[in-house]
This record gives sequence, C-alpha cells and structure tokens, in this order.
Amino acid sequence: DAGITQSPRYKITETGRQVTLMCHQTWSHSYMFWYRQDLGHGLRLIYYSAAADITDKGEVPDGYVVSRSKTENFPLTLESATRSQTSVYFCASTLAAANTGELFFGEGSRLTVL
Amino acid sequence: SQQGEEDPQALSIQEGENATMNCSYKTSINNLQWYRQNSGRGLVHLILIRSNEREKHSGRLRVTLDTSKKSSSLLITASRAADTASYFCATDEDSSYKLIFGSGTRLLVRP
Repeated sequence: DAGITQSPRYKITETGRQVTLMCHQTWSHSYMFWYRQDLGHGLRLIYYSAAADITDKGEVPDGYVVSRSKTENFPLTLESATRSQTSVYFCASTLAAANTGELFFGEGSRLTVL
Repeated sequence: SQQGEEDPQALSIQEGENATMNCSYKTSINNLQWYRQNSGRGLVHLILIRSNEREKHSGRLRVTLDTSKKSSSLLITASRAADTASYFCATDEDSSYKLIFGSGTRLLVRP
C-alpha cells in the first residue's frame, strides 16, 4: 500500500514562478493538511481540508493556494514563488478529525526558490 | 503563533539514560499528541493523550498531561541510539480539528 505520497521530493525554482506540490493518499482519509518546516519554527500549518471541496486557512496561508476536488488529492500551489517560501513542505492526512486521531505524514517536498 | 513549545530545544544523553522532553501550550485542548521525526523523513505518530487523562504509557514511552498548567512531558526510558530524532508535541488549537505543532526537541543519544 502506497499510503501518502508527495511529489516532487526535490524542486528548485526561480522567484516569480508558479510551483505545484502534489499530495496523494490511498486511504480515503477525510482530513488533509499542508505544513511547512523551517529551522527554528517547527511545523507551521498552511492549509487544511476536512473533505473534498472544503478547505480552510492555517497559520501561514499567504502566497499559497490549495484545492481538493478529489478526496485523495490535495495539491499546494505557490502562485508566484518567493525566496521566503524556500522550505520543506509536508502533507498529512487522517481519517478522524486531527484532534482525535493520528496524522500520517508524507516524506516531504524540499523546495528551493532562487 | 505556535500552540506548543518544547523544552529543551536540544538534548544529548548517553545510551541507557532516560530522556525527558516538555511541552507547553496556550489554549484549551481536547488532546495532545507526540510525534517523532528522523532526519530527512516525515513525522511519525508516537502517542495521543486526551485532556481527561493524566498519564499514558506505550512501550518505553511515558506521557503526562497537566491541563491546569497547560503542559505535557514525554519520557523515553532506557534510551537507544536509534531514538536519536526530533520530537514534537501537537495540540488542537481551541479544540478545533487542526493540529498545531511546536518547534520540537532534538534528541541525540550517544552510543
């Protein structure tokens, strides 16, 4: 079973370009999340989704867009990448609400914006 | 702002010793969770403790929760080199369904 997969695992892009990070889970989990991890900040929540077509902003949503047309996919788009968006991005999912069940994380997407 | 803050930021111990990490949070919660992250990998769930629980055990892990002090601790007993990782606490902010993570404790277990 594939679980939760992120692609690409590594990406280098230039300032101003659009970048989409993909997240796919095979469990039909209702809840999905995007976090970014930066040294000294731990993980910060960008966006989350309770079901298909339901998304909500987290702690640091500016500069990001998400969509959830299918339960299994939750892509994260940087519309115009900036250097401050250089980070490691983690997608996660859970069957139950996050406050009652464990999150399952992907392996991360390391993004560098030059 | 972050909900959970871990203390210490880094911890270095000898194999066989116990490791204790602390987490403080700000708002009311339903549950608190602890996660582990090996270098370059995603996070892995360790244990969940509910707000009406005071202590929970799982193998060599012991978690306590003090809701009056808004704090939790994770104890790893008889540590092994393989326990070297970063450990994060996570809480549901104001009992919402999203999980907010702290900045983590980096644990180094020396062989």
